[in-house]
Amino acid sequence: GAVVSQHPSRVICKSGTSVKIECRSLDFQATTMFWYRQFPKQSLMLMATSNEGSKATYEQGVEKDKFLINHASLTLSTLTVTSAHPEDSSFYICSASTGLPIPETQYFGPGTRLLVL
Amino acid sequence: AQTVTQSQPEMSVQEAETVTLSCTYDTSENNYYLFWYKQPPSRQMILVIRQEAYKQQNATENRFSVNFQKAAKSFSLKISDSQLGDTAMYFCAFTYNNDMRFGAGTRLTVKP
Repeated sequence: GAVVSQHPSRVICKSGTSVKIECRSLDFQATTMFWYRQFPKQSLMLMATSNEGSKATYEQGVEKDKFLINHASLTLSTLTVTSAHPEDSSFYICSASTGLPIPETQYFGPGTRLLVL
Repeated sequence: AQTVTQSQPEMSVQEAETVTLSCTYDTSENNYYLFWYKQPPSRQMILVIRQEAYKQQNATENRFSVNFQKAAKSFSLKISDSQLGDTAMYFCAFTYNNDMRFGAGTRLTVKP
């Protein structure tokens, strides 16, 4: 149980284009979904938190107009990197929280490797 | 702000031996949750063990156990009978009100 998928697993795009990453909770309804960014050999950095039907809450320093988050349903959240630049190249990980059986437990997707040329 | 500190960037252990990974945190909250996640080379984050701060009993999951010292704000992970598949980055995490913060991680290598 508690499986989270991400698509695509890796993507290469040209500078200036937009890229959408999907995050799905496959066997549970996620009350909250999270988006993280991870640089090589570093820890996870929280980008934003989203609740279904509400606007995402972004961490300080994260541009909300660049990283658009849509949490359209209890099983799907999307992250769109708009007008991507090489510095946006990174590993993006989503997670989902059910609130049960133990609150605040996050289950993570396998991640998306983004390379902007 | 909550902070999580993992002071051991790298550790190694012989197969079948026991190893303990350290984690300390700082918070003024009383009811929170602590986790250990494992990130193997595939980079998939895997939940290893979790602890509710209001529970005094230390959590245990098969070969994995924690030593939770609330007053000292310490949350160490003990891996018994280490296996080659335990080789990974291990992240300690603190969460309060759905705000999860991670430590810098400890890279564990299990040697045959």
